[in-house]
Amino acid sequence: DGGITQSPKYLFRKEGQNVTLSCEQNLNHDAMYWYRQDPGQGLRLIYYSQIVNDFQKGDIAEGYSVSREKKESFPLTVTSAQKNPTAFYLCASSLGGGPRETQYFGPGTRLLVL
Amino acid sequence: DQQVKQNSPSLSVQEGRISILNCDYTNSMFDYFLWYKKYPAEGPTFLISISSIKDKNEDGRFTVFLNKSAKHLSLHIVPSQPGDSAVYFCAASWNGNQFYFGTGTSLTVIP
Repeated sequence: DGGITQSPKYLFRKEGQNVTLSCEQNLNHDAMYWYRQDPGQGLRLIYYSQIVNDFQKGDIAEGYSVSREKKESFPLTVTSAQKNPTAFYLCASSLGGGPRETQYFGPGTRLLVL
Repeated sequence: DQQVKQNSPSLSVQEGRISILNCDYTNSMFDYFLWYKKYPAEGPTFLISISSIKDKNEDGRFTVFLNKSAKHLSLHIVPSQPGDSAVYFCAASWNGNQFYFGTGTSLTVIP
């Protein structure tokens, strides 16, 4: 079955701790994305990557970091610099990185701060 | 600054009737629009798209209408079915890699 997997489904972070959210896809897509969803707001882009070893900041990249060492994987680290990390995080991928490419989403990870 | 807005957070419709979900945008440069559907605890799934060179696109029970002069997009579902109950997001992009998403409208189809 082709698709995008995100793990874990729920993640708890202590104050001052870095946590990493996993995103894996077996769709052979070149581009991958991370979004954040907060209540009453649309999805906001954190980072995206069009090819391996390259990524760009989205609108709300501060306090986050990513890597793209493999085509299939695009992990997101929520650092201690992110002061309000509680949110629902969605990973997506698309065949190419163009503006008309349909993005396919994973099931999401809900991050909660203890 | 919300460039794509869905002003109705929720909508209830009787089964078999038409559901109309609305979306407004502020950036006149947007030239590609999509609708996504999201069930609880799942990621959004692509539903239908429209390019700015068209004013209508149809796919089965789903039709998207684009009014560029009004910067307004709508999704019509006819006939509505209980399985259509979900949150619907509109999204827009232009000549770049980023999609801007609306806040979503929760549709409930009442049997």
